[in-house]
Amino acid sequence: DIVMTQSPLSLPVTPGEPASISCRSSQSLLHRNGYNYLAWFLQKPGQSPQLLIYLASNRASGVPERFSGSGSGTDFTLKISTVEAEDVGVYYCMQALQTPPTFGQGTKLEIK
Amino acid sequence: QVQLVESGGGVVQPGRSLRLSCVASGFTFSRSTMHWLRQAPGKGLEWVAILWYDGSNRLYADSVKGRFAISRDNSKNTLYLQMNSLRAEDTAVYYCAREGLNYGDYDYWGQGTLVTVSS
Repeated sequence: DIVMTQSPLSLPVTPGEPASISCRSSQSLLHRNGYNYLAWFLQKPGQSPQLLIYLASNRASGVPERFSGSGSGTDFTLKISTVEAEDVGVYYCMQALQTPPTFGQGTKLEIK
Repeated sequence: QVQLVESGGGVVQPGRSLRLSCVASGFTFSRSTMHWLRQAPGKGLEWVAILWYDGSNRLYADSVKGRFAISRDNSKNTLYLQMNSLRAEDTAVYYCAREGLNYGDYDYWGQGTLVTVSS
């Protein structure tokens, strides 16, 4: 199975400041079609996960522009340009290149 | 609007069975590949199973292979997860999720149903 490793695991952020989460995979997630099969999810407290980013850099419908995804191969990043209070929760990356899909450990974003 | 509503969770003894359901609405269920995922208390997300939109293929996590079975009834817009020989480590909130147009594009999730395996 592909192992996904996130850092940091805890991320205290002041509102209005930027935030960045790293995700590394044990194998390249670049498909021969040129797409990286990497997604980002946010699980807000007490809620189900919600899709933020798919194919490494595509924002899902309704996701604010302050969220962006980048990277290729084995190194990926989720960036929040200016953190808002509603962004608190646990962020997960997930690879979808191989079955089984596998998740990172999660990064807990909290407001300072 | 799109909705996925899971049900069927509860407390069950080790070795017993349980069937989860996920009723879909607001989209063409018969054209959507569906997944089950789970989250143990205080832990991260774990993928469990996938079933193609037409039922042509299904795959499982090694941890549930041979014990769980995913199925669907497109006439009822319902996804199922039959869980047999349950173990304590199967205790989790179980989510169904729809896969959108791209791999990994789990664009809609249900609210989850809690399964507790305990004697």
